[in-house]
Amino acid sequence: AQSVTQPDIHITVSEGASLELRCNYSYGATPYLFWYVQSPGQGLQLLLKYFSGDTLVQGIKGFEAEFKRSQSSFNLRKPSVHWSDAAEYFCAVGAGEYGNKLVFGAGTILRVKS
Amino acid sequence: NAGVTQTPKFRVLKTGQSMTLLCAQDMNHEYMYWYRQDPGMGLRLIHYSVGEGTTAKGEVPDGYNVSRLKKQNFLLGLESAAPSQTSVYFCASSWAGLTGELFFGEGSRLTVL
Repeated sequence: AQSVTQPDIHITVSEGASLELRCNYSYGATPYLFWYVQSPGQGLQLLLKYFSGDTLVQGIKGFEAEFKRSQSSFNLRKPSVHWSDAAEYFCAVGAGEYGNKLVFGAGTILRVKS
Repeated sequence: NAGVTQTPKFRVLKTGQSMTLLCAQDMNHEYMYWYRQDPGMGLRLIHYSVGEGTTAKGEVPDGYNVSRLKKQNFLLGLESAAPSQTSVYFCASSWAGLTGELFFGEGSRLTVL
């Protein structure tokens, strides 16, 4: 069965510092991978996705993620964090025939200190 | 644009009571989903639908029923609520096929006493 592990429950970074959120997945076939962000009291919003091709994908709000098949990882990065990036971040793998059934990780809560 | 709308946003139930959560989307999406979100567990799929008149079980379907009588609506029912169903419920919708992007509602917080 598909699974997603986000090893860090909480991460605190200073504003302007770089960020990397870790994600490891388990999936037998070629994975469809996603990062979503959830602001407090809101639904989830797609940051970026990987289906195939270039293993470095760019998303919204200055985020990028790199797919590494050998490490079964899809880590999210941002070179300079802004206070508005404080939120919960979810990594997900697409399961099912069309990859639409998402299996989510437990999430990482990002705190930004000024 | 309304997108995905969930009602109600908050509800408190007593054990054994029933209720229905309504999800409505105005994007003409084929696929719709119900997830529950619990601390430290991410989102787990309850039921989903790949088109009007169809439903299927997800990862945690027990204690829930769903219906998709109209393409734009997806109802989630709890026939006899239990404290274990205290959670935040999210509805989402997407285009059919390989797109990956789910559009989420703002969530419905349910407390079962």
